Amino acid sequence: QKEVEQNSGPLSVPEGAIASLNCTYSDRGSQSFFWYRQYSGKSPELIMFIYSNGDKEDGRFTAQLNKASQYVSLLIRDSQPSDSATYLCAVKDYQLIWGAGTKLIIKP
Amino acid sequence: EAGVAQSPRYKIIEKRQSVAFWCNPISGHATLYWYQQILGQGPKLLIQFQNNGVVDDSQLPKDRFSAERLKGVDSTLKIQPAKLEDSAVYLCASSLGSGGLYNEQFFGPGTRLTVL
Repeated sequence: QKEVEQNSGPLSVPEGAIASLNCTYSDRGSQSFFWYRQYSGKSPELIMFIYSNGDKEDGRFTAQLNKASQYVSLLIRDSQPSDSATYLCAVKDYQLIWGAGTKLIIKP
Repeated sequence: EAGVAQSPRYKIIEKRQSVAFWCNPISGHATLYWYQQILGQGPKLLIQFQNNGVVDDSQLPKDRFSAERLKGVDSTLKIQPAKLEDSAVYLCASSLGSGGLYNEQFFGPGTRLTVL
């Protein structure tokens, strides 16, 4: 059974601070990794994609991948109240396996 | 570009009744997915279509759920008979394809089903 694990939270972070979201996965054959954001009552939307070890930056978002440790993370710099949402980690081998998500709350 | 369309947005039924959901993917997207998302959980793939063929339906409760994608465009998901545990949001998503490293899935607004 392929699994993607995330801390359900909620993770509470002060506005302007760095939010760090973590995800571990069980399938060593996984090749690509996605972070989706889901606002309450809305559908998921893709915010980051990574497939190589190391860091990938896009604006305030940085995805970090360590395949040896089977670990992927998402950093959000200068957190804003609008970043408050559930962040879903999804891992792809031949199919996409989803984590349960981490609820992030940014406190003004 | 129009997004993924779903209807209805909300549905309330009693257990043992039947219900159907409709999805129209983004034009040109060959792959269509139906997910079930229970509150507090991640999306659970029910069925994946590539054009009008089924790629993966391993988690579809086939005794009560059925889905079709006629002509490789829009799709319907049916539940008959519904159970209380089917209460969830049913998400439809589409992507250009499903192979390779990258395939962004675009989600519709979802249908919130309540089974009483």
